[in-house]
Amino acid sequence: GENVEQHPSTLSVQEGDSAVIKCTYSDSASNYFPWYKQELGKRPQLIIDIRSNVGEKKDQRIAVTLNKTAKHFSLHITETQPEDSAVYFCAASTTGGSQGNLIFGKGTKLSVKP
Amino acid sequence: NAGVMQNPRHLVRRRGQEARLRCSPMKGHSHVYWYRQLPEEGLKFMVYLQKENIIDESGMPKERFSAEFPKEGPSILRIQQVVRGDSAAYFCASSRTEANYGYTFGSGTRLTVV
Repeated sequence: GENVEQHPSTLSVQEGDSAVIKCTYSDSASNYFPWYKQELGKRPQLIIDIRSNVGEKKDQRIAVTLNKTAKHFSLHITETQPEDSAVYFCAASTTGGSQGNLIFGKGTKLSVKP
Repeated sequence: NAGVMQNPRHLVRRRGQEARLRCSPMKGHSHVYWYRQLPEEGLKFMVYLQKENIIDESGMPKERFSAEFPKEGPSILRIQQVVRGDSAAYFCASSRTEANYGYTFGSGTRLTVV
């Protein structure tokens, strides 16, 4: 089955700097890759996603890149702000049939220091 | 749209008791997913249900755990004879079609077994 590895487990940056979180996946059939942000004690919230027919997607300060050949994808946050501090999870999934579940990485705790 | 509703938000059970967690999907959504999150860890898929059908329960322990999504009413995750290791946050998500379109999580039920 699918396995998702996420690095780093913790990341500390200064406000205004960029943050990059990387994930690798094992199942070449995976074709949907969402990223979730989870603040302490709250629900995971989808912040951006990418499908395998696209190499890059951007939404304001957040961007995701996908390298299907290498089976890795990354989250990029530019001009970080203290409110970006949270745990970020990547996930991977295949479409169709009963493969409706997402396989999550273990998360990256991002701390943005003012 | 009230979003995915889970209750209770917090549940305390003594070892050996039963825990019932409820999830009402978003309006118009007929697919429900249950995930478990242990402290400091990512989300682990448990079960995927459609109305009156279990589609994929590959992530659910074979014993003591069961799930249902009846024709009427919320989806229920039931844990019988709880043990301390069951203490976790249980998140439900719902989607309109089969997954992989950034489904939305509820606020979770935090189960504590004492």
